Amino acid sequence: EAGVVQSPRYKIIEKKQPVAFWCNPISGHNTLYWYLQNLGQGPELLIRYENEEAVDDSQLPKDRFSAERLKGVDSTLKIQPAELGDSAVYLCASSLDAAYGGELFFGEGSRLTVL
Amino acid sequence: AQTVTQSQPEMSVQEAETVTLSCTYDTSESNYYLFWYKQPPSRQMILVIRQEAYKQQNATENRFSVNFQKAAKSFSLKISDSQLGDTAMYFCAFMKQEGDSGGSNYKLTFGKGTLLTVNP
Repeated sequence: EAGVVQSPRYKIIEKKQPVAFWCNPISGHNTLYWYLQNLGQGPELLIRYENEEAVDDSQLPKDRFSAERLKGVDSTLKIQPAELGDSAVYLCASSLDAAYGGELFFGEGSRLTVL
Repeated sequence: AQTVTQSQPEMSVQEAETVTLSCTYDTSESNYYLFWYKQPPSRQMILVIRQEAYKQQNATENRFSVNFQKAAKSFSLKISDSQLGDTAMYFCAFMKQEGDSGGSNYKLTFGKGTLLTVNP
């Protein structure tokens, strides 16, 4: 079974440029997460989807970040415009039954460097 | 806000020895889940072990076991017979239900992690 797939793995951009990250969760997983992981820190939730609905986006900086999960499968996270402080790893994860203590499956992450 | 504290930023252990990673958390809830996730260098995070708060018995997965002290809000991970492949960041995580909406509203909070190095 294929795992969570993210792309691109690495992205270097200049500040004020836009950037987008893509995530394909494990087939059948209704819950999808985007996490932000700064160097040496634990992941912090940006947004959580249940199917197509964003059920928790309270930590998403909505002035520059946006996300979508069309058709309840793949998801895209966008930053526009990027700032120096956005340099981090963006992790996507999916789960079948996380609400009941189930496992989250993570992708390899997208490492963003903003110059 | 829920907090998860890992007081050991870095630890090291010799191959084949035993090491314990510490984790404490803050909650007033009685029902929740606790996890240890492992993140090897440049690889994705994977689940190591999980514990339901309502279970008194400590979870065990092969060489990995936990010491769950509910009253003390402590959840340590013990790795026995350490192997070179155990070198990784280890994150403690806590999940609880939010509000009264059953299984649809919950939060998973991670600690800052402990970098474990297993030396040959």
